[in-house]
Amino acid sequence: NAGVMQNPRHLVRRRGQEARLRCSPMKGHSHVYWYRQLPEEGLKFMVYLQKENIIDESGMPKERFSAEFPKEGPSILRIQQVVRGDSAAYFCASSVGENQPQHFGDGTRLSIL
Amino acid sequence: KQEVTQIPAALSVPEGENLVLNCSFTDSAIYNLQWFRQDPGKGLTSLLLIQSSQREQTSGRLNASLDKSSGRSTLYIAASQPGDSATYLCAALGGGADGLTFGKGTHLIIQP
Repeated sequence: NAGVMQNPRHLVRRRGQEARLRCSPMKGHSHVYWYRQLPEEGLKFMVYLQKENIIDESGMPKERFSAEFPKEGPSILRIQQVVRGDSAAYFCASSVGENQPQHFGDGTRLSIL
Repeated sequence: KQEVTQIPAALSVPEGENLVLNCSFTDSAIYNLQWFRQDPGKGLTSLLLIQSSQREQTSGRLNASLDKSSGRSTLYIAASQPGDSATYLCAALGGGADGLTFGKGTHLIIQP
């Protein structure tokens, strides 16, 4: 009965490279949320997805960031041409439905050299 | 836009004391409110969730209350232990946002 699985746990990229963060929701959950925690700041909502649909991306930076949740496989948060300011912990959460309790993964710590 | 504020930002108390962490939110149209614990470099552990129709929830030494009309929630920790040392986060679901809106947390230290 695995919880929300995120990988990798730690990711190091050089400026200009691409970062791909993966999230497998809990079994039976079809709603996925991504959050970012910048150093010394609180967690901020980025995007809310259901299978094959982006429901709310109001928290996503306008450029370089994208997210998907395909019919098969994990949800992916993709950051293109990473910059130092992208260094943060990225958390994924899943829920069984809209407005239901969210369960969090252990996060991916992204470091940009 | 929902905003969540947590007071105090940091708290240090001797072991054994009872303590209260405070959380306030600006938009009372919430579906639920969750309290989480985060240890340094770790993920979030859900402690308690209060649905909008509920007034409080209890789990062991923890009790969380919710007053939607005043936009407040409190987390009460009884008989604190050094293992309770962590950052406690309050998060509201609803109030115009699809995702959770988090406070910045209360960093709690329990002195042995």
